[in-house]
Amino acid sequence: GAVVSQHPSRVICKSGTSVKIECRSLDFQATTMFWYRQFPKQSLMLMATSNEGSKATYEQGVEKDKFLINHASLTLSTLTVTSAHPEDSSFYICSAPWTDGYNEQFFGPGTRLTVL
Amino acid sequence: GENVEQHPSTLSVQEGDSAVIKCTYSDSASNYFPWYKQELGKGPQLIIDIRSNVGEKKDQRIAVTLNKTAKHFSLHITETQPEDSAVYFCAASRDYNTNAGKSTFGDGTTLTVKP
Repeated sequence: GAVVSQHPSRVICKSGTSVKIECRSLDFQATTMFWYRQFPKQSLMLMATSNEGSKATYEQGVEKDKFLINHASLTLSTLTVTSAHPEDSSFYICSAPWTDGYNEQFFGPGTRLTVL
Repeated sequence: GENVEQHPSTLSVQEGDSAVIKCTYSDSASNYFPWYKQELGKGPQLIIDIRSNVGEKKDQRIAVTLNKTAKHFSLHITETQPEDSAVYFCAASRDYNTNAGKSTFGDGTTLTVKP
């Protein structure tokens, strides 16, 4: 199957700093990518849909100024957590759908963000 | 919008036994139903999926069944092994062109296989 990578896999930062997480589709082009947040022992919470060449679509309740998304190319989407605070600590996962008419999703390995 | 319910939330079986996880969905237009396995600290991995034109699909020890009339689908794992221990998520979605690729996920099932 297709491969999606994320970088970094783990990041620890101080409160008030910004952190950028990259999501790459390695062997296919993705005009759309999804960003999820996952709390311990919980399901995936969709944060936003990243669209290549246009603005991201955010889910209700997600602060677009806090979580900046840029989809600059067909293989790269970035999520920047701005002015991070301890409550932003979480597991962030991206995915990219295989656009063959159905909705097969390929997930990245996730990024563990810890804000001190 | 779509709503997916998954049961049970936790499941413990003895090695070699079978495990069954069930999901129901609400949107009759959904036509793609994948199952993901997530190990601790990792992203979900697709283990099997089924499309609305098929009632059952099998891949070695894993099988998925779909009942479109009743709007439910199930994951069956036979001859379970300790390495099957993980969190399993079901999901439902319409085709990519209809819903821009969005999926709705169940809450997950933590499967523990005891040696």
